Amino acid sequence: GAGVSQSPRYKVAKRGQDVALRCDPISGHVSLFWYQQALGQGPEFLTYFQNEAQLDKSGLPSDRFFAERPEGSVSTLKIQRTQQEDSAVYLCASSLNVPLGNEQFFGPGTRLTVL
Amino acid sequence: AQKVTQAQTEISVVEKEDVTLDCVYETRDTTYYLFWYKQPPSGELVFLIRRNSFDEQNEISGRYSWNFQKSTSSFNFTITASQVVDSAVYFCALTSHNYGQNFVFGPGTRLSVLP
Repeated sequence: GAGVSQSPRYKVAKRGQDVALRCDPISGHVSLFWYQQALGQGPEFLTYFQNEAQLDKSGLPSDRFFAERPEGSVSTLKIQRTQQEDSAVYLCASSLNVPLGNEQFFGPGTRLTVL
Repeated sequence: AQKVTQAQTEISVVEKEDVTLDCVYETRDTTYYLFWYKQPPSGELVFLIRRNSFDEQNEISGRYSWNFQKSTSSFNFTITASQVVDSAVYFCALTSHNYGQNFVFGPGTRLSVLP
């Protein structure tokens, strides 16, 4: 079946522009996660949804970052007034159930470059 | 706080050699899960193995095996008879009951398998 998809795969933005990154999770997956992966580092947690509810946004680095999942499926990560330090790969992951320990299925990521 | 350490930044081996990737974790929780993921050049994180904190039995799955030792907080991963296609960045990750559903990743180990 189809895996997690993300679009666009690559995004170049000028400093100060707003960007929106889309994630289509695996159909039926309850949980959705966003991670930020800087070059040469491991992914770092940004935010977590259970269906349409955003249960944890403790990893969002600033109030310029905003995520939503209004119908409990597709999610959008929005970054306002982008800065150079926002340049990274943004990974989306989904998992089937809520209970702890389920593996997360990752999308290919969106590589954001802020000039 | 939770933390995952992968002391090996890069490893190079010749094809057919065995290679062990080290992972040391920190958590105060008694219920937690440990994972290994592979990130090939395409960028998509691929799930490899999972272990929960109550099961220290070590197993072998094909060319993969793992050594989970709670006494030393280690979760090492071994690839037997490595192949060129095993070349990738490998991440160890931790999730636990009291820290939500998100994963804490280590910094990764880049494995290069040379022909």
